[in-house]
Amino acid sequence: SQQGEEDPQALSIQEGENATMNCSYKTSINNLQWYRQNSGRGLVHLILIRSNEREKHSGRLRVTLDTSKKSSSLLITASRAADTASYFCATDDIQGGSEKLVFGKGTKLTVNP
Amino acid sequence: SQTIHQWPATLVQPVGSPLSLECTVEGTSNPNLYWYRQAAGRGLQLLFYSIGIDQISSEVPQNLSASRPQDRQFILSSKKLLLSDSGFYLCAWKENYNSPLHFGNGTRLTVT
Repeated sequence: SQQGEEDPQALSIQEGENATMNCSYKTSINNLQWYRQNSGRGLVHLILIRSNEREKHSGRLRVTLDTSKKSSSLLITASRAADTASYFCATDDIQGGSEKLVFGKGTKLTVNP
Repeated sequence: SQTIHQWPATLVQPVGSPLSLECTVEGTSNPNLYWYRQAAGRGLQLLFYSIGIDQISSEVPQNLSASRPQDRQFILSSKKLLLSDSGFYLCAWKENYNSPLHFGNGTRLTVT
């Protein structure tokens, strides 16, 4: 079953703009992770944020986590055409076993040059 | 450094034929191993995960099975493929519950 759900399903922006993607989940978690997938490829890990953290940065990426609302957001600043990809959030499940990582359906981001 | 190998990259199989997809990890020991399937334009569906040899959890009841004959080897199998088994199969590994997943390049399976 899906744990995380990303929003929006698709996002199209111009180069230089910021892109924000959201993720909602249902159960208590140890951590939430964001991944990127280029078309036809495996996923690449971007950021892991633990349940006791509220914000994390990595380069042009900023992730926030609100455990009270069971939601997270991924912000990509000053986007580039090379950022075009699908972005997924993934959560573990404290009750179901933290080894089990479940992904959402993803947000397809298109950055137009 | 750790690497993950997944093969083949593409596979076309007739309905009713068997399947064997292999995944191996190098440079680490006792990894957690995962099989996911992704339908075209969709999210990832967790199929199986394993926290050790002979410890495999199945998430979706179907005609697929998984085995872990060695610590760093994870095999996805089917005795008889269905059309609905078509998809993009991804193997992944991680060290522990607070580690990121590392994915292979995937196998594109088309059942005809």
